[in-house]
Amino acid sequence: GENVEQHPSTLSVQEGDSAVIKCTYSDSASNYFPWYKQELGKGPQLIIDIRSNVGEKKDQRIAVTLNKTAKHFSLHITETQPEDSAVYFCAATTYSGSARQLTFGSGTQLTVLP
Amino acid sequence: GAVVSQHPSRVICKSGTSVKIECRSLDFQATTMFWYRQFPKQSLMLMATSNEGSKATYEQGVEKDKFLINHASLTLSTLTVTSAHPEDSSFYICSAKDRSSNQPQHFGDGTRLSIL
Repeated sequence: GENVEQHPSTLSVQEGDSAVIKCTYSDSASNYFPWYKQELGKGPQLIIDIRSNVGEKKDQRIAVTLNKTAKHFSLHITETQPEDSAVYFCAATTYSGSARQLTFGSGTQLTVLP
Repeated sequence: GAVVSQHPSRVICKSGTSVKIECRSLDFQATTMFWYRQFPKQSLMLMATSNEGSKATYEQGVEKDKFLINHASLTLSTLTVTSAHPEDSSFYICSAKDRSSNQPQHFGDGTRLSIL
């Protein structure tokens, strides 16, 4: 089955700096890679996703890159703000339109220092 | 946007009690819902996949008689923790797939279960 590894487990940055979180996956059949933000006591919220036919996707301050050959994908947050502080999870799945279970990374606790 | 509502958000009860958690898709139909368990500072662990009108598929190591799942309609799945004990205390999260959307899953806000 799929195995997703995520690094780092904790990350502290100064407000305004960039943050990068990296994930690797094992199953070359995986073709959908979402990123979730989880605030304390809440469920994960999708913040950005990327499919295997795309190498990069950007949404305002958030971007995700995918390297299929190396089987790794990364989340980039620029101009970080204190409200970006949360736990971020990457995930991978083989997506074909119907429901497929997600395999999650272990999470990264991001702290943005004011 | 799509919303998944989970209820209750927090439960505190005595050992031996059975607890039911509801997961509803508010503005879409969900043929498949997923139930996760999350321990403090850990990732989400899939417990089972719930399919409308059929039996749930449980992950290895998850007791199906302990964690009863019912998915009787396209908008509602329930997880019942039977005869709960302190080791069942955890954060339980559901997610649902909008069958008409390309997005795979929308998550609820979780249920904090504390067994005394």
